[in-house]
Amino acid sequence: DAGVIQSPRHEVTEMGQEVTLRCKLISGHNSLFWYRQTMMRGLELLIYFNNNVPIDDSGMPEDRFSAKMPNASFSTLKIQPSEPRDSAVYFCASIQGPTDTQYFGPGTRLTVL
Amino acid sequence: DAKTTQPPSMDCAEGRAANLPCNHSTISGNEYVYWYRQIHSQGPQYIIHGLKNNETNEMASLIITEDRKSSTLILPHATLRDTAVYYCIVEGGSNYQLIWGAGTKLIIKP
Repeated sequence: DAGVIQSPRHEVTEMGQEVTLRCKLISGHNSLFWYRQTMMRGLELLIYFNNNVPIDDSGMPEDRFSAKMPNASFSTLKIQPSEPRDSAVYFCASIQGPTDTQYFGPGTRLTVL
Repeated sequence: DAKTTQPPSMDCAEGRAANLPCNHSTISGNEYVYWYRQIHSQGPQYIIHGLKNNETNEMASLIITEDRKSSTLILPHATLRDTAVYYCIVEGGSNYQLIWGAGTKLIIKP
């Protein structure tokens, strides 16, 4: 079992550029969470998908952030345009069912200059 | 706001049992207590969860008080690799909308 896979692991970009983060779920899992972690705010839930459908995106900071789940095993989180305050570690986590525990990926460390 | 209160940091000697407390005085009847940990530069890792009864697995034991207002995570024989931030979370059975507090930074000392 490869676990949750995230790419890239590190991303450095300049303000105003588009950033796309990717996540591959564990095989057989059908729900996905995107989180953001900073020293100041800790771990924050951005969006939750169940069976490819966004269930709750109330944590998405603003319109610059968008997330998609085009199929059952893959998701993207896009920031356009990026700003320095978006610098954080972004995690995705997948679960098999609503009562399952969350399995986290290794994270993407984003730095926006 | 997090529904749990944990000490910000703790130390434990290698080989000893590490006992991490958590207060969740506003927990409701259908909410579970979950414990995750986050080792530096890694994603959070599930440890254990419970509703009312004490639970044990290969990683740890979870002791929940009878009134369910507090719990203790026990790592029976702590190793240096157990140094991490430990998060205690209460969640309403759907494993959704976990509210993450600041956790306890556990340092295992040789």
